[in-house]
Amino acid sequence: GEDVEQSLFLSVREGDSSVINCTYTDSSSTYLYWYKQEPGAGLQLLTYIFSNMDMKQDQRLTVLLNKKDKHLSLRIADTQTGDSAIYFCADSGGATNKLIFGTGTLLAVQP
Amino acid sequence: GAVVSQHPSRVICKSGTSVKIECRSLDFQATTMFWYRQFPKQSLMLMATSNEGSKATYEQGVEKDKFLINHASLTLSTLTVTSAHPEDSSFYICSARDLSGAPRGYFGPGTRLLVL
Repeated sequence: GEDVEQSLFLSVREGDSSVINCTYTDSSSTYLYWYKQEPGAGLQLLTYIFSNMDMKQDQRLTVLLNKKDKHLSLRIADTQTGDSAIYFCADSGGATNKLIFGTGTLLAVQP
Repeated sequence: GAVVSQHPSRVICKSGTSVKIECRSLDFQATTMFWYRQFPKQSLMLMATSNEGSKATYEQGVEKDKFLINHASLTLSTLTVTSAHPEDSSFYICSARDLSGAPRGYFGPGTRLLVL
């Protein structure tokens, strides 16, 4: 079945850039997403990328997609303490159009 | 952006009772809604896909008689946890799909269920 993998933990200093990585297995994915979850809260859509794009930039966020390697990354520039949260990548699941979530990466920003 | 609400935000119930959770899309029509559950420090697990006017499609291992889903209108889906037990305690999150543009999912704030 479809699988989405992420590293579990990332620690950075405030002001540095954070790069969160994700790999997926479904080659028919149409869209790939990044969501942010703060403690005890629901999910907030940060950004998404269409599968025929290599890069998408949205303010401090840059998404890179390597479709050949099935690798997705989220770069957060000038990381702030308010960026501390769990970040999930999600795959649109090809023909099924249901979201398959990665394991989530806990981003800890040290002041 | 599009808004999805859930009610209640948290609920505590006794073992054996049933609990209904509502998911509403507030400013768009959602022909499809998804129900997820999330255990502490874990990822979201898709439980079922809810289609307006038809039966829900359940993921493997999810008991359809225990988790009743009703998608009565284009803006409302409900999940009823029947005869709840402590192991059903979890964070339940719904998602509504806006098909007018990119099929991104808008998520509700979640419902935290604690079964005593």
